[in-house]
Amino acid sequence: DADVTQTPRNRITKTGKRIMLECSQTKGHDRMYWYRQDPGLGLRLIYYSFDVKDINKGEISDGYSVSRQAQAKFSLSLESAIPNQTALYFCATSEGSRGHTGELFFGEGSRLTVL
Amino acid sequence: KNQVEQSPQSLIILEGKNCTLQCNYTVSPFSNLRWYKQDTGRGPVSLTIMTFSENTKSNGRYTATLDADTKQSSLHITASQLSDSASYICVVSARNTGNQFYFGTGTSLTVIP
Repeated sequence: DADVTQTPRNRITKTGKRIMLECSQTKGHDRMYWYRQDPGLGLRLIYYSFDVKDINKGEISDGYSVSRQAQAKFSLSLESAIPNQTALYFCATSEGSRGHTGELFFGEGSRLTVL
Repeated sequence: KNQVEQSPQSLIILEGKNCTLQCNYTVSPFSNLRWYKQDTGRGPVSLTIMTFSENTKSNGRYTATLDADTKQSSLHITASQLSDSASYICVVSARNTGNQFYFGTGTSLTVIP
């Protein structure tokens, strides 16, 4: 089983619909991240969380919200999806500051298409 | 401003040939630099880490270099294989308490038979 699991892997939806992407991890890491990847733009940070009670905005948080339900779970929501949110979304984890090695562990990605 | 720039944007090489990918950064304070390999439709996976004191590090056919003075890194791939076809992403970590990772936009490598 993958250490970082994302569901769904693929989703097609319509403009205005609410969408939730879920992420769970078995690595025991405190830090979790949501990124989106667009061709030519690379990976951009949407939100990140350093523990269950910590939520921080990334560089492109507008139109998104997150919930850290437990150490192992971090979900991303699009309250009202729009076509320019069509992208490949990645969840990632990393160790906390005490054991920080600078390595991100990524899920397999969730491809979202908004029509 | 903390930035990471990679070149070339894309590269096509023949199987068995060598190639070198470049990464320039302005991230400060610098903690480490990692090269990730991202196969199509998959999540990125770390290939190698470079810390401030390291100049060269190898992982099989992959060799990364770091020049902390000029803030440049390279990834050299020797005797390329078809399975090397992927996007290679340079990620620099900063030593601070906030978001720590700065991403390049990647180099798309295609190895052809």
